[in-house]
Amino acid sequence: AQKVTQAQTEISVVEKEDVTLDCVYETRDTTYYLFWYKQPPSGELVFLIRRNSFDEQNEISGRYSWNFQKSTSSFNFTITASQVVDSAVYFCALSEGGANNDMRFGAGTRLTVKP
Amino acid sequence: DTGVSQDPRHKITKRGQNVTFRCDPISEHNRLYWYRQTLGQGPEFLTYFQNEAQLEKSRLLSDRFSAERPKGSFSTLEIQRTEQGDSAMYLCASSLGGRGDTQYFGPGTRLTVL
Repeated sequence: AQKVTQAQTEISVVEKEDVTLDCVYETRDTTYYLFWYKQPPSGELVFLIRRNSFDEQNEISGRYSWNFQKSTSSFNFTITASQVVDSAVYFCALSEGGANNDMRFGAGTRLTVKP
Repeated sequence: DTGVSQDPRHKITKRGQNVTFRCDPISEHNRLYWYRQTLGQGPEFLTYFQNEAQLEKSRLLSDRFSAERPKGSFSTLEIQRTEQGDSAMYLCASSLGGRGDTQYFGPGTRLTVL
């Protein structure tokens, strides 16, 4: 069965600090997909990134970067030079891409960036 | 606006009443999903549609819940005889339909059962 663990419930940083959000997953499939979503106070889940299990290349998008390591079943998310607007709950999710394509979400990490 | 929309955004009801929520997916998306999110938790899968066919239901979806997508476009989620435990955010998402494809979420409907 698929499972996603986000061990950090809450993180608080001061603006301009770098912060890493951890995500550990479990799956028996060799083909799977990992996602990160951002949920700001408004409540809408905003898609950030999708990664399939065959692509371990790390990705950088502006201040955001993702580190995917199959050996440790981790898909961590780093925000560089954090800003107040980064304050939100961040969810990591796993899809095994089966017939139904449903996603299993972690419990989320609440990030607060203080000015 | 070409994103996923949901209506209403907020619903307050008394225990025992029926409620219905609507979701309009991104127009070219074949798949539509419903999730439930309670406070402090990640979204939990409820059910999904491929066009008008409902293909999967979670065990979370009790017989008081029913979902439809009559013409493969918008979808409705109805909860009959609401209970206080049904209080949650109900999220709708849509995707193109490929394996592991990205799901795009709507703003959600927050249900409060008094």
